[in-house]
Amino acid sequence: DAKTTQPPSMDCAEGRAANLPCNHSTISGNEYVYWYRQIHSQGPQYIIHGLKNNETNEMASLIITEDRKSSTLILPHATLRDTAVYYCIVRVGNSGYALNFGKGTSLLVTP
Amino acid sequence: DTGVSQNPRHKITKRGQNVTFRCDPISEHNRLYWYRQTLGQGPEFLTYFQNEAQLEKSRLLSDRFSAERPKGSFSTLEIQRTEQGDSAMYLCASSPRWPGEIQRGTTGDTQYFGPGTRLTVL
Repeated sequence: DAKTTQPPSMDCAEGRAANLPCNHSTISGNEYVYWYRQIHSQGPQYIIHGLKNNETNEMASLIITEDRKSSTLILPHATLRDTAVYYCIVRVGNSGYALNFGKGTSLLVTP
Repeated sequence: DTGVSQNPRHKITKRGQNVTFRCDPISEHNRLYWYRQTLGQGPEFLTYFQNEAQLEKSRLLSDRFSAERPKGSFSTLEIQRTEQGDSAMYLCASSPRWPGEIQRGTTGDTQYFGPGTRLTVL
């Protein structure tokens, strides 16, 4: 699986959009970009995934650059409950393989 | 859908003792994963089952670790002769049958995690 690079930490004011970047310059054509998050003392939670096109669901939006070498997870109106570690993971879809979490980005949403 | 459950949630043991953790995946999920997470790190993969077959094991899974999924439903992770370095959060995840059940918005490969078992070895 391709490696990812994320900033170790970010801050965001409550109610504002949180934009979390991820670099995956070695991504291959059949690899998806997945985002998970982990709130303190809980198990990781799936957020969203994409291959080429931008994706949106009830939790977030995922913007993938045209060359697929980077992506941004957008939480449109961050709340205090969005404070968590966010992991960007690149892997082949439907492979049944393990997730390679890395260290992620610790997002702190402040009042 | 009751989610993935893990028991116990916390376990404190003395060095050298054996411990066993249990994971109950989401009903009908045929894939089950174990991960370990130490403080300040992301989860690290330990092992993976498809139904009752253990298909992949990480190098992190030393000889003291054994995992089973006897009937393709719940799974157990046993650590023998625990060491202080085994102190960690042990996470279990499951994912749906593929091909077949594809939940809207997922690849069918999305992993759903339990709350974890926190192990402290004294």
